[in-house]
Amino acid sequence: KAGVTQTPRYLIKTRGQQVTLSCSPISGHRSVSWYQQTPGQGLQFLFEYFSETQRNKGNFPGRFSGRQFSNSRSEMNVSTLELGDSALYLCASSLGGDRVTYEQYFGPGTRLTVT
Amino acid sequence: KQEVTQIPAALSVPEGENLVLNCSFTDSAIYNLQWFRQDPGKGLTSLLLIQSSQREQTSGRLNASLDKSSGRSTLYIAASQPGDSATYLCAVWGSGGSNYKLTFGKGTLLTVNP
Repeated sequence: KAGVTQTPRYLIKTRGQQVTLSCSPISGHRSVSWYQQTPGQGLQFLFEYFSETQRNKGNFPGRFSGRQFSNSRSEMNVSTLELGDSALYLCASSLGGDRVTYEQYFGPGTRLTVT
Repeated sequence: KQEVTQIPAALSVPEGENLVLNCSFTDSAIYNLQWFRQDPGKGLTSLLLIQSSQREQTSGRLNASLDKSSGRSTLYIAASQPGDSATYLCAVWGSGGSNYKLTFGKGTLLTVNP
């Protein structure tokens, strides 16, 4: 079974631009979560989607948004990029729903550099 | 607000040594606890998942324990090898509301010297 895939793997953007990152979960998984990883803050939760609905959101500004499609694939968008948005963005998928383990499977990440 | 702490922040051991990594969390209302491994610049690899009703899980040379009431977990690595060198992260999945997410510790950087 294929793992979680993220595209692109590397991205360089200029301050003020916007960016869209994509995540394809493991087949059959309906929950997708996004995390930002930086050396200073570690791994921080951005948001979680299940069946196209956002179920939880972390403490990030409104410039960070996401969505999930009917095939469970998810996209994350960051508008008006700032230097501090440079980070590794990780996507995780899990089965979701009730009476499941919520075990999270992570993708390889997208390395975003803002100059 | 859930907070996860991992001690030590870094650990260097000779090959073959048994070692223990520690994780503590402040809110015992968790659904599960998961240990991950991260190699430099890479994503996270799940090592072990412990449900809140379980006390421990084992996989090969790895054993993880959970004491939910005291907010502690340990990851035991037996007969360490240079290939075990990586950052080990502990994370808890909260049981509801705004805690319905993984909250991570800052990790333990493990170096196993040949």
